[in-house]
Parts: sequence; structure tokens; C-alpha cells
Amino acid sequence: NAGVTQTPKFQVLKTGQSMTLQCAQDMNHNSMYWYRQDPGMGLRLIYYSASEGTTDKGEVPNGYNVSRLNKREFSLRLESAAPSQTSVYFCASNRGFSEAFFGQGTRLTVV
Amino acid sequence: RKEVEQDPGPFNVPEGATVAFNCTYSNSASQSFFWYRQDCRKEPKLLMSVYSSGNEDGRFTAQLNRASQYISLLIRDSKLSDSATYLCVIILTGGGNKLTFGTGTQLKVEL
Repeated sequence: NAGVTQTPKFQVLKTGQSMTLQCAQDMNHNSMYWYRQDPGMGLRLIYYSASEGTTDKGEVPNGYNVSRLNKREFSLRLESAAPSQTSVYFCASNRGFSEAFFGQGTRLTVV
Repeated sequence: RKEVEQDPGPFNVPEGATVAFNCTYSNSASQSFFWYRQDCRKEPKLLMSVYSSGNEDGRFTAQLNRASQYISLLIRDSKLSDSATYLCVIILTGGGNKLTFGTGTQLKVEL
């Protein structure tokens, strides 16, 4: 049972490069989320998608775009990476008011 | 005011001690409540859901006080392996039923 799968697990980018973080869940969940976590800080919501075809901004959306490709997949794109986007990124999913499940995270460094 | 607030700690306790964490929330429309555990830079994992009547799982007891808008987590007979960050999570009704995290409380259990 895969749960929530994120790729890649690690990435180093140069300033100005672009990349897409992939997330897929196999639990038939409606809602999916992207968070970032910086050292000593909590999880901050970047974007979320309450259902296929809808996306909404979270607390820190600047510099990111998302795409809910279908019910299973929710991708996060950095169009022009900046050092301030160095962080650990977590994808999560849930259904309704139930518990959320997380991917293992993507450790991104922008140099 | 943040939607979910926690004392960041750290709480340093000896093995065998009882420790309690509180989490306050500002939105009375909060619908679901959870405690998650996060080990260093890994993905958060569900510790337990929190129900209105209170609930217990082994050494862990969770309580919800809707009138005062807080939830609590009590850990009895602390083990070294309990050392982690404990995250309070709520789901608000409306706005896509968004997951909202507290910043987490760090627990260190010592010999």
C-alpha cells in the first residue's frame, strides 16, 4: 500500500532554474496539500486542492504554481527557483474531515 | 492571531515522567482535531484523533474542550522513544476543509 508518494526525494537547483515536484496518492482522497517546512519552523501551507479541478492559495504561495492533474496527482512547480525556497516540501492528502497522510518529503536546496 | 497555537518548548523531561501539551485554536468552526508526531525532518505521522468525549491510546490521552477552544495531549510514563515534535492539527469547516497545523511542541525525554 503506497499511500502518498513524492518525487524526487532530494534535489539541488541553481538559482533561476525551474522544477516540478510530483505527488501521487492511491487512497482515493479528494483533498491534497503542499507544505514547506523550514528549520525550527512548523509546516506552512503553500497550496491545497479540495477536489479535482480546484486549487487554492495557502499561507505562502508566492513563487509557486500547482496543478491538480487528476484525483490522484497534485504537482508543485517552481518557475524560477530562489535560495529562499530551500526547504523540505511535504505533500499530504485526506478525505473530508479525516486524518491526513503525508509523503516522505522532498529536500530541496537552491544554490 | 494564528489559527492554531502551541508552546514550542522544548519540554525536557526525565524518563517515566508525565507531560502535557496544550494547543489553542481561534476558529470555532473547527471540525476535526488530531495530534501528529514528527521525528527529525521526517514526515508527520498521525498519533491520535481527538474526540469530544476524550480518548486514550495506551500511555496517550487526548482531550478536546470546545468551550475554551483547546485540545490537549497527555503522555504518561515517558519513554526515550517519545522524543519528537508533537503537532496539533485541526480541520476547519468551509474553505475546502483545510488542514491547519500548529508550529509543534518539541519533547525531549532524558535518562
